[in-house]
Amino acid sequence: GNSVTQMEGPVTLSEEAFLTINCTYTATGYPSLFWYVQYPGEGLQLLLKATKADDKGSNKGFEATYRKETTSFHLEKGSVQVSDSAVYFCALISGAGSYQLTFGKGTKLSVIP
Amino acid sequence: GAGVSQSPSNKVTEKGKDVELRCDPISGHTALYWYRQSLGQGLEFLIYFQGNSAPDKSGLPSDRFSAERTGGSVSTLTIQRTQQEDSAVYLCASSLGTGNNSPLHFGNGTRLTVT
Repeated sequence: GNSVTQMEGPVTLSEEAFLTINCTYTATGYPSLFWYVQYPGEGLQLLLKATKADDKGSNKGFEATYRKETTSFHLEKGSVQVSDSAVYFCALISGAGSYQLTFGKGTKLSVIP
Repeated sequence: GAGVSQSPSNKVTEKGKDVELRCDPISGHTALYWYRQSLGQGLEFLIYFQGNSAPDKSGLPSDRFSAERTGGSVSTLTIQRTQQEDSAVYLCASSLGTGNNSPLHFGNGTRLTVT
């Protein structure tokens, strides 16, 4: 079956630090990969996605590259801000016509001034 | 425009009682999903509705859980004879269609606490 493993949190960083949240996956076929973000008190929002190998998704200064050889989709940001404090979820969909997202457990990020 | 709306935002109930959680999807979205987010766990798929097709109920954890979607719009998730392990945040999402180009739009969730 499909599964997503992401680094355990919580992660605490100072403002302007570099961020990496690791995500690896197991899937049948060729999955599409996603990062969702959940800000305090809000629902999950799609942050970025990549649908095929070597694709790079990017949004709001965050990036993640679909690495088929290492089955990874690590999230990075060069300089985090306090407003980036949230829970980040890595997820995948696998299979044509598939609709069921498989999520990781989430990584809580806290950015301190 | 309006996003996915869930009610109530918080619900505290006694063990053994029934609860109903409501989801109003984005207008025009044909697909609707329920997920459960338990403390320290990822999001667990519960059920999926697409148009007039039979729902995919494969994620419902027991027969105490049921859901319906009336008129292809509003959905209600019902938990009968609640147990303490049902305590979680229940998230609803909707999308225009399915697949990579139809991202899910999530509501803020209903936090259920069973005492």
